[in-house]
Amino acid sequence: KNEVEQSPQNLTAQEGEFITINCSYSVGISALHWLQQHPGGGIVSLFMLSSGKKKHGRLIATINIQEKHSSLHITASHPRDSAVYICAVSPPGWGSRLTFGEGTQLTVNP
Amino acid sequence: DTEVTQTPKHLVMGMTNKKSLKCEQHMGHRAMYWYKQKAKKPPELMFVYSYEKLSINESVPSRFSPECPNSSLLNLHLHALQPEDSALYLCASVGATSNNEQFFGPGTRLTVL
Repeated sequence: KNEVEQSPQNLTAQEGEFITINCSYSVGISALHWLQQHPGGGIVSLFMLSSGKKKHGRLIATINIQEKHSSLHITASHPRDSAVYICAVSPPGWGSRLTFGEGTQLTVNP
Repeated sequence: DTEVTQTPKHLVMGMTNKKSLKCEQHMGHRAMYWYKQKAKKPPELMFVYSYEKLSINESVPSRFSPECPNSSLLNLHLHALQPEDSALYLCASVGATSNNEQFFGPGTRLTVL
């Protein structure tokens, strides 16, 4: 079993829909990261969470430390949101490695 | 300056060539990472440098040779690569916080013929 599990693996939505991507982890962490990668592109950090909830524009990320679960929500989805969304966790300790989930391929159709 | 830059963007090389990938950041970050990413897979960690010293080597073949000449620059020297080494090579850096927020570069798309 992977230490970081994401669901769903693939998600297709119509423009305007509310989207949720889930991430569960099984190890101790200092932070959970949501990353975005467009086709052929580099990776952008969307959120880094250690507790609670963060919002940036149409994106919202939540984390439940007790349940070891996080969700990424996209409100009013748009075709430009089409990308791979990756959940990753970092253990305590600076300069340590990230453990990545397998990613969720999101396609938003107009 | 809040970005990580990587050069070249694309690289095509033969199996007998020697080439280098370059990564640069001017955010004062003291940990820098090399990742390899194959299509439709998450990044795989290759190396980590902390304060210009190699702190993690994920048993990477010796045909990949990292170098950190100063706190802003990270190189990856390539020699005698195989076609299966074709991938996107990503660099990232981490600032002096305990939560390891990583700033990624745009990557170098490497093709080995």
